[in-house]
Amino acid sequence: DIVMTQTPLSLSVTPGQPASISCKSSQSLLHSDGKTYLYWYLQKPGQPPQLLIYEVSNRFSGVPDRFSGSGSGTDFTLKISRVEAEDVGVYYCMQSIQQWTFGQGTKVEIK
Amino acid sequence: EVQLVESGGGLVKPGGSLRLSCAASGFTFSNAWMSWVRQAPGKGLEWVGRIKSKTDGGTTDYAAPVKGRFTISRDDSKNTLYLQMNSLKTEDTAVYYCTTVRRFAFDIWGQGTMVTVSS
Repeated sequence: DIVMTQTPLSLSVTPGQPASISCKSSQSLLHSDGKTYLYWYLQKPGQPPQLLIYEVSNRFSGVPDRFSGSGSGTDFTLKISRVEAEDVGVYYCMQSIQQWTFGQGTKVEIK
Repeated sequence: EVQLVESGGGLVKPGGSLRLSCAASGFTFSNAWMSWVRQAPGKGLEWVGRIKSKTDGGTTDYAAPVKGRFTISRDDSKNTLYLQMNSLKTEDTAVYYCTTVRRFAFDIWGQGTMVTVSS
């Protein structure tokens, strides 16, 4: 099984400041088709998760451009350029090159 | 509006069975790959299983903890996805979400249904 490891597990951010979450996979997520199967989700309190980023760096429909994803192979990063109050929740990375597995989650709160 | 609505959750004793349903609307259900994802209380997300569209073979795949106990099926005439859960264990206690699968990601989620396995 592919293990996804996120750091940090919690983050307290001042509104307007940037935030960054790291995700490392135990195996490369680069497929022979040239795509990298790494995704980011945000689960706001009391809600189901919502897709933010697909295939490393593509924002899903309706996702603000303050969210960006980067990385390759086994190392990935989600960045929020300027955190807003509505960004609080738990962020998960996920791989789907071999079934599906999620990271442990990173809880983001506002200072 | 694209919508997924789960139902069928509840309290069941260890060793018991339960069937969850997921009613889909607002998209062509028969063309969609579908999946179940669960979340134990206060814990992270865990993929349960996936079913392809019939045009793509209709095959299923399951996570190791549920393989042999859980079965995913679909009724395209009713736009409904099912999760049959047998031989339930206390560790199966979770909110179960129904999701669509596009680009190998879970893009649309239902609100979830709670399953509690306890004696």
